[in-house]
Amino acid sequence: GQQVMQIPQYQHVQEGEDFTTYCNSSTTLSNIQWYKQRPGGHPVFLIQLVKSGEVKKQKRLTFQFGEAKKNSSLHITATQTTDVGTYFCASETDKLIFGTGTRLQVFP
Amino acid sequence: GAGVSQSPSNKVTEKGKDVELRCDPISGHTALYWYRQSLGQGLEFLIYFQGNSAPDKSGLPSDRFSAERTGGSVSTLTIQRTQQEDSAVYLCASSYRTGGYTFGSGTRLTVV
Repeated sequence: GQQVMQIPQYQHVQEGEDFTTYCNSSTTLSNIQWYKQRPGGHPVFLIQLVKSGEVKKQKRLTFQFGEAKKNSSLHITATQTTDVGTYFCASETDKLIFGTGTRLQVFP
Repeated sequence: GAGVSQSPSNKVTEKGKDVELRCDPISGHTALYWYRQSLGQGLEFLIYFQGNSAPDKSGLPSDRFSAERTGGSVSTLTIQRTQQEDSAVYLCASSYRTGGYTFGSGTRLTVV
């Protein structure tokens, strides 16, 4: 079945450092969505990418969809303590399947 | 409503009892998902409703789990004869067709 892997599983950074999480699939993805889940909270939709090679930015967050539509990345520039949480990618081919998630911890 | 509403927010039940979890999606949203999330883990797909189509039940872990969606709106997830391994947060999400899902706050189920 459809599987989406994320790396790393955990990332601890000092406030101000950059952070990147990667999402990989063995099959071509129709789209990629990114969600953020704060500790104790529920996932919140961030963005959707559909086109091959697409890049979108939201303030300090940059999202990229690979040329082959088999991978994606989320990069955060100059992390802040408010960025703490778990970041999930998800793809909706026949149903919405979530990646394994990357838990980000930011130390002040 | 303004968001996806789930009830109850917390449920403690004895092993062997049946439970019903409710999800009120955003009005007009045709797509509705149920996921299960154990502590510190990812989102496990359970079931997917899209409009009037037959639901995708491929994620339901056993025949003790069932779900229905009445009138294309409210959905109920039922777990019969609950087991301790059913303890988790059950999340509901909805969207208009596809793309960008809104999640409810979840129901935390504890089976004792």
